[in-house]
Amino acid sequence: GENVEQHPSTLSVQEGDSAVIKCTYSDSASNYFPWYKQELGKGPQLIIDIRSNVGEKKDQRIAVTLNKTAKHFSLHITETQPEDSAVYFCAAYNSGGYQKVTFGTGTKLQVIP
Amino acid sequence: DSGVTQTPKHLITATGQRVTLRCSPRSGDLSVYWYQQSLDQGLQFLIQYYNGEERAKGNILERFSAQQFPDLHSELNLSSLELGDSALYFCASSVGVTASSGNTIYFGEGSWLTVV
Repeated sequence: GENVEQHPSTLSVQEGDSAVIKCTYSDSASNYFPWYKQELGKGPQLIIDIRSNVGEKKDQRIAVTLNKTAKHFSLHITETQPEDSAVYFCAAYNSGGYQKVTFGTGTKLQVIP
Repeated sequence: DSGVTQTPKHLITATGQRVTLRCSPRSGDLSVYWYQQSLDQGLQFLIQYYNGEERAKGNILERFSAQQFPDLHSELNLSSLELGDSALYFCASSVGVTASSGNTIYFGEGSWLTVV
């Protein structure tokens, strides 16, 4: 089955700096890669996603890049703000017919004011 | 608000007991998923239902079971509870069932289960 590794597990950045979170996946058949943000006491919320036919996608301060050859994808947050502090999860969809979504282990991002 | 509703939000129960967690998916979504998140742990996929039928199974214990009803709401039943079952249980929903279509999964706020 699919295996998703996520690094780092914790990340502290100064407000205004950039943050990068990386994930690798094992199943070359995976074709959809969403990123979720989970704030304390809440459920994960989709913040951005990318499909396997696209190399990069941006949405304001957030961008995701995908390298299918190397089987890794990254979340980039620029001009970080304190409200970006949360746990971020990457995920990879196994396209084996049913939606067995495998999540990374999460990155706790702390933005220091 | 994702549109996925979970009840109860918090639950405290004793070891050996049985509890039922309830989930109402977003309007129009046919797939329901259950995930377990333990303290400082990632999201562990338990089970998926699509339009009333079980479609995918993850690391769900035999003491746990789930079902999706004709009105599409779902219940997760946890029995013979152990201390280690204490966790946040998320329900999520999406429109479709196949991964190839890239269906976005929307999560509820979760049900906090504490087993004492």
